[in-house]
Amino acid sequence: AQSVTQLDSQVPVFEEAPVELRCNYSSSVSVYLFWYVQYPNQGLQLLLKYLSGSTLVKGINGFEAEFNKSQTSFHLRKPSVHISDTAEYFCAVSEFSGGYNKLIFGAGTRLAVHP
Amino acid sequence: KAGVTQTPRYLIKTRGQQVTLSCSPISGHRSVSWYQQTPGQGLQFLFEYFSETQRNKGNFPGRFSGRQFSNSRSEMNVSTLELGDSALYLCASRPGADNSPLHFGNGTRLTVT
Repeated sequence: AQSVTQLDSQVPVFEEAPVELRCNYSSSVSVYLFWYVQYPNQGLQLLLKYLSGSTLVKGINGFEAEFNKSQTSFHLRKPSVHISDTAEYFCAVSEFSGGYNKLIFGAGTRLAVHP
Repeated sequence: KAGVTQTPRYLIKTRGQQVTLSCSPISGHRSVSWYQQTPGQGLQFLFEYFSETQRNKGNFPGRFSGRQFSNSRSEMNVSTLELGDSALYLCASRPGADNSPLHFGNGTRLTVT
């Protein structure tokens, strides 16, 4: 079965600093990868996705992620964070099961942006 | 286009009771998935429905069940509630293509006392 490891449960950072949220997944023949963001008292919102093609994926709110097959990683980056980026971030991988795909989520990384 | 709508937003139930949660997907989406989110276990997949058929199921006891109607709306039922069922239950929809991203609702927060 697929698994996703988010290496940091919490990441504190100052406003306008760069940030990287790390994600590793278990190996598979082909994978589809996603990053979601969850603000307090809300559901999850898709930030970006990797299905195929270019390994550098750009998403909303200035975030980007790089798919690295050899390291089975899909780290999320932003060059300059804002206070409003404070939220929980989830990495997810699509697992093929029973003839269909389902999303397996990591435990989440809480990003805290300080002024 | 309206997003995924979940009702109610909050529920308080006592142990032993049962509960039904509702989810209306984005118009045109035929697949609905349910997830349970807790601080200890994170996001765990419950099940997915497509065209009124359950096509995927997570590792939850039989007390957790669901269904999907012909208009793609879905309900989730939990019987004989336990304290550990307290969680945020999230519904997500997608058009039906297996690799398309999930679109989530804001969830139903269930508290079991």
